[in-house]
Amino acid sequence: NAGVTQTPKFQVLKTGQSMTLQCAQDMNHEYMSWYRQDPGMGLRLIHYSVGAGITDQGEVPNGYNVSRSTTEDFPLRLLSAAPSQTSVYFCASSLSTGTDYEQYFGPGTRLTVT
Amino acid sequence: SQQGEEDPQALSIQEGENATMNCSYKTSINNLQWYRQNSGRGLVHLILIRSNEREKHSGRLRVTLDTSKKSSSLLITASRAADTASYFCATLYNFNKFYFGSGTKLNVKP
Repeated sequence: NAGVTQTPKFQVLKTGQSMTLQCAQDMNHEYMSWYRQDPGMGLRLIHYSVGAGITDQGEVPNGYNVSRSTTEDFPLRLLSAAPSQTSVYFCASSLSTGTDYEQYFGPGTRLTVT
Repeated sequence: SQQGEEDPQALSIQEGENATMNCSYKTSINNLQWYRQNSGRGLVHLILIRSNEREKHSGRLRVTLDTSKKSSSLLITASRAADTASYFCATLYNFNKFYFGSGTKLNVKP
C-alpha cells in the first residue's frame, strides 16, 4: 500500500491564482480530511469527508473547496490564492469515524503564495 | 477555538531520561490521540485513549487522561535521540472533527 499520497510536494502561486492540491489513499478509508499547518503551530482542520459524496467544514474552511466523488480521492481547491494561505497542507485518512480510529497522514504540500 | 494547548512548548533532555508533555482542551471529547512529527514530515500516530479510559501504555509510551480537568499527559520513558521530534495531541469531537494542540518540541541529546 502507498498509504496517503499528496501532490505536488511544493507549489508557488501568485495572489489570485487558483489550484488544486491532490490527495489519494489506497486503504479504502471512509474518512478523509485536510489540515493546514502554519509555522510553529499545530494543525487546523479545513474540511473533512465521512464518505464519498459527503463533505463538511472544519475550523478554517474559508477560501477552500472540496469534493469527494470517490472513496480514494479528496482534492482541495484554492479558489483565489492569498498570501495568508501560505502554509503546509496535510491530507489524512482513517478507516472510519468513531472513537477507535487513528489518522494516517500524507507527506504534505508546501504552498507559498506571493 | 477548541484547539488544545500543550505544555511545555519545548523540552530538552539527555538520552535515557524521561520526557513528559501535557495537553489541555476545552470541551467534551470522544478520544484523544498523540502524534509525532519529525521535521518537515507528516504526522505519525503514536497512541489513542478513549474518553472513558484513564491510562494507556504502548511500549515506552504512557498516556493518561483526566476528563474532569480536561487534560492529558504523554510520558516517554528512557528517551533516545531518535525520539527528537514535535509531539501533538489531537482531540476528537462529534466523532468526526479533530483539533490539534500547538505541539511540544522535544530535543533528546545523545
